[in-house]
Formats: sequence, structure tokens, C-alpha cells
Amino acid sequence: DAKTTQPTSMDCAEGRAANLPCNHSTISGNEYVYWYRQIHSQGPQYIIHGLKNNETNEMASLIITEDRKSSTLILPHATLRDTAVYYCIVRPSGGSYIPTFGRGTSLIVHP
Amino acid sequence: NAGVMQNPRHLVRRRGQEARLRCSPMKGHSHVYWYRQLPEEGLKFMVYLQKENIIDESGMPKERFSAEFPKEGPSILRIQQVVRGDSAAYFCASSLDLGMGRGTEAFFGQGTRLTVV
Repeated sequence: DAKTTQPTSMDCAEGRAANLPCNHSTISGNEYVYWYRQIHSQGPQYIIHGLKNNETNEMASLIITEDRKSSTLILPHATLRDTAVYYCIVRPSGGSYIPTFGRGTSLIVHP
Repeated sequence: NAGVMQNPRHLVRRRGQEARLRCSPMKGHSHVYWYRQLPEEGLKFMVYLQKENIIDESGMPKERFSAEFPKEGPSILRIQQVVRGDSAAYFCASSLDLGMGRGTEAFFGQGTRLTVV
């Protein structure tokens, strides 16, 4: 699997957009980018995934660069409840796969 | 996290006892993953099962730990002769399939917090 690199921590003001970057420069053509988050003491929560087109759902938007070597998760209007560790994962489209979590980005949303 | 049910939510065991953690995957999901999270650390993969089969147990300690996912009933993570170092949060996840597109994301339960005293 392609390795991902994320900043260790970020902070954001409540109501502003939170932009969380992820580098995956060794990603291959059939690998998707997935984002999860883990709010303190809870189980990880799936957020969004994409292959090469930008994606949006009720939680967030995912922007993938044209060369697919990096992506950005956008929380358009961050709230205090968005404080969590955010994980970027790259995974192949088929075959056996085990979601593997790195250190992620600790996002703190402050008032 | 709705759908993946883990129980108990909290479990206290004395050293040397057995711990049994249960995970009921989301309806229709046939893939189950178990993870362990030590305090202030990341999620570590333990084992991946499909119905009645262990697919990958590379993250499972060689001794005292076992997992099963029977044809009927929940997946069970069993820890024999627990020690203080087993104290952690254990999370289970399930997924629908591993093909392309929808249904490939993993959904997690709320975890079981095991405390060994």
C-alpha cells in the first residue's frame, strides 16, 4: 500500500473551514484515498473516499490533485465536535485489504 | 458507527482470567477486523476474519489470543490468562466486500475497554 504522510496536528477556529492535507506520492492507479476520524474514546468513523475525482458528502469534501499524489479533506464549517484525529488511508480497489492506520492528524477546533 | 455492536463496552478482569469480547457486524457484512488501541497510541491491526475463516492474523500475539467468526453468531476475540499489558480498547470493524466502489468502507463499533487489575 502507498504510504501516507499527514501533519501531526492542526487547529482551526469554529465556523471556519478545516483543510487537512495528506501526501501519498507513491499511490498507484487503482488505489483509493479514504479518510476516517476518531473522536476521543470512540470508534473510528468513515468520512469519505475517492479515486481521482473530487468527492463531497454531508460530512466533508475530498480534493485529490490531478497527479493524485496528495489530497485534502475539507470540513467546510468546523464545529467543536469535529475535534478528532483524522486518518488518511490509501487502499487498493480489489483483493484482500486491511485498513491500516498511521498516526493521523490531531485536529483541534477552538471557539 | 451505527450497526457494528460490541459488547461489553467495559470489561474488568483480574490477572490470569479470561476475557471474551464480542462483535456483531453490520447486517450483511461478512468481513470482520479487530484492532487494539493502547492508551495514547494508534490503532493496531490484530486479525481479519471472514465467515468461519481467519484471513490474516499477523497482528495477533502468538500466545493467549484467539479469534473466531462462526457461521452463526458474533465474532469473538478471546484473551486467555490476561495480564496488565492487555489493558486497552479493542475495536471491531466490519465491511461489506473488498471490491470497487460502494460498500468497501469499514464501519467500526464503539469498542470494548478492557481493564486488567
